[in-house]
Amino acid sequence: KQEVTQIPAALSVPEGENLVLNCSFTDSAIYNLQWFRQDPGKGLTSLLLIQSSQREQTSGRLNASLDKSSGRSTLYIAASQPGDSATYLCAVRPRGSTLGRLYFGRGTQLTVWP
Amino acid sequence: ETGVTQTPRHLVMGMTNKKSLKCEQHLGHNAMYWYKQSAKKPLELMFVYSLEERVENNSVPSRFSPECPNSSHLFLHLHTLQPEDSALYLCASSQGLGVPDGEQFFGPGTRLTVL
Repeated sequence: KQEVTQIPAALSVPEGENLVLNCSFTDSAIYNLQWFRQDPGKGLTSLLLIQSSQREQTSGRLNASLDKSSGRSTLYIAASQPGDSATYLCAVRPRGSTLGRLYFGRGTQLTVWP
Repeated sequence: ETGVTQTPRHLVMGMTNKKSLKCEQHLGHNAMYWYKQSAKKPLELMFVYSLEERVENNSVPSRFSPECPNSSHLFLHLHTLQPEDSALYLCASSQGLGVPDGEQFFGPGTRLTVL
């Protein structure tokens, strides 16, 4: 069974810092990896999706990388802002799964203070 | 309305009540999902529907009963729940199960409290 781990569990930084959030998974046979953002009590907003054949994806100040062979992904946030405060979740979709099943990590709770 | 919507956003119910959660997707997708998010666990997949047919029941107790009348709507019927069922219930949709790169889009969730 695929297991997804996110480190750190929580992070508190001043505004303006560049951040790296880590995600690791135990089975490298995946279709893709997706990063989500979740605000308190709210649903998930998809940030970036990386296909297994890709190394990275970028959207604005966000950059996600994927090293499938080592089972790792990182989410890089440049010039962090208080509005970036949220929980960041990563999820992988295993190969061999035709059911659209995603395996989620527990998330990294990010606080960016002014 | 765009994306994936869920109603109600908050629900408080007693253990003997019967209630239903509703999800609607406006994306033209063919697959829909129910997830449960508890305070101390990662998001857990509960049910998957593809073209209105249930394709997975992830060992969910029978007090949770899903229904998918068409590809745009998904319900979760609740009866005789337990306090430990209190959680955020999230609905998602994707283009289809046979699409390997199918991105899942989530609704805002229903915060359920069982007294």
